[in-house]
Amino acid sequence: AQKVTQAQTEISVVEKEDVTLDCVYETRDTTYYLFWYKQPPSGELVFLIRRNSFDEQNEISGRYSWNFQKSTSSFNFTITASQVVDSAVYFCALSTSGAGSYQLTFGKGTKLSVIP
Amino acid sequence: ETGVTQTPRHLVMGMTNKKSLKCEQHLGHNAMYWYKQSAKKPLELMFVYSLEERVENNSVPSRFSPECPNSSHLFLHLHTLQPEDSALYLCASSQDPIAPGGWVSYEQYFGPGTRLTVT
Repeated sequence: AQKVTQAQTEISVVEKEDVTLDCVYETRDTTYYLFWYKQPPSGELVFLIRRNSFDEQNEISGRYSWNFQKSTSSFNFTITASQVVDSAVYFCALSTSGAGSYQLTFGKGTKLSVIP
Repeated sequence: ETGVTQTPRHLVMGMTNKKSLKCEQHLGHNAMYWYKQSAKKPLELMFVYSLEERVENNSVPSRFSPECPNSSHLFLHLHTLQPEDSALYLCASSQDPIAPGGWVSYEQYFGPGTRLTVT
């Protein structure tokens, strides 16, 4: 069975601090994809990144960076120099061919509050 | 318009009403999805359509009835709902993950959702 765990339910940081959101996944499939989405108060999920299981390179996009470690089944997300606009719920998700090709298994989300 | 749009954004309905949610995508995708998001629960996949055919139905009660007339439009018809059906209903679209070369999982693009309240 597939599972995504986001152990941090809520995090509060002061603006300009760095923050890391944790994501741990479980799957027996060797081919899988991991995703991060952002859900601001408006409700729409915004796609941030997709990573497949064969690409363990870390990625940086502006203030965002992702650390993929297969050895610990983790795909953590770091925001550098956080801003108020980063306040949202962030979801990590997993997709595997074995689970049904269309299925995205989401974690419960981490609510990030950035305080000015 | 661009992206994925949903109407209405808010809906209040009684348990005996019949209503429909509409989703439209302008991304040229051929797979569309309905999700339910309840408070304090992970997003739940309800239905998936690929090339206008339903490919997944995750044990959703029959009071929810999807319809996909073409690859750009998706509907969710609602009837005799229960108060526990109150939630945010999200539509999404993506490229189809089943390709001649094998399976690839593409990112899904979501609409803003319909906030449904059943009284």
